[in-house]
Amino acid sequence: DQQVKQNSPSLSVQEGRISILNCDYTNSMFDYFLWYKKYPAEGPTFLISISSIKDKNEDGRFTVFLNKSAKHLSLHIVPSQPGDSAVYFCAARGGRGAGGTSYGKLTFGQGTILTVHP
Amino acid sequence: DTEVTQTPKHLVMGMTNKKSLKCEQHMGHRAMYWYKQKAKKPPELMFVYSYEKLSINESVPSRFSPECPNSSLLNLHLHALQPEDSALYLCASSRILIGTGDTEAFFGQGTRLTVV
Repeated sequence: DQQVKQNSPSLSVQEGRISILNCDYTNSMFDYFLWYKKYPAEGPTFLISISSIKDKNEDGRFTVFLNKSAKHLSLHIVPSQPGDSAVYFCAARGGRGAGGTSYGKLTFGQGTILTVHP
Repeated sequence: DTEVTQTPKHLVMGMTNKKSLKCEQHMGHRAMYWYKQKAKKPPELMFVYSYEKLSINESVPSRFSPECPNSSLLNLHLHALQPEDSALYLCASSRILIGTGDTEAFFGQGTRLTVV
């Protein structure tokens, strides 16, 4: 049962354009969402997060949008740079109401490989 | 300092060996995590420690044995592993347990484990 899904395995974008990475989730008890970036042979690096009480969070070139009713979030990178090329994971955590082993746990999507061409 | 340090970076071990993976952070974080990541798959949670106590064990086989000797260190003891246990093992830490307020997890670079 995959509770966090990134349906696009890969995305290719021209430098300077916008990259939009999407993520869907099924568990309504998730209350906090994070995006991580991962280069090969390295650990994930935290990028940006959003609480379920917000619908947008911005940090420099990175903006995350959350649509709770659709259980959908997206990461926008503007403008995209070749150094942004990496695997992007969205992750969700269960809050106190989640119960069981969802509390204290990050559930990751499958990842999207972003390639930004010069 | 937002660094989580894992050693070794690479490890090759036989199925009868005993080895340990180490993880260290000096950010004052009180929650630490072990994740396992196979190629082209997302990280999967193995263990969670909160305030040096085991909080979550995601039904991990006993050939993996975690240990949290103090608030800065997290070990993963390995014994009698199988070739299918070969993976990238990631350690992470967060200020407090994920789920108790807005907090993100910081990951180490991982240990690439190969079981032969």
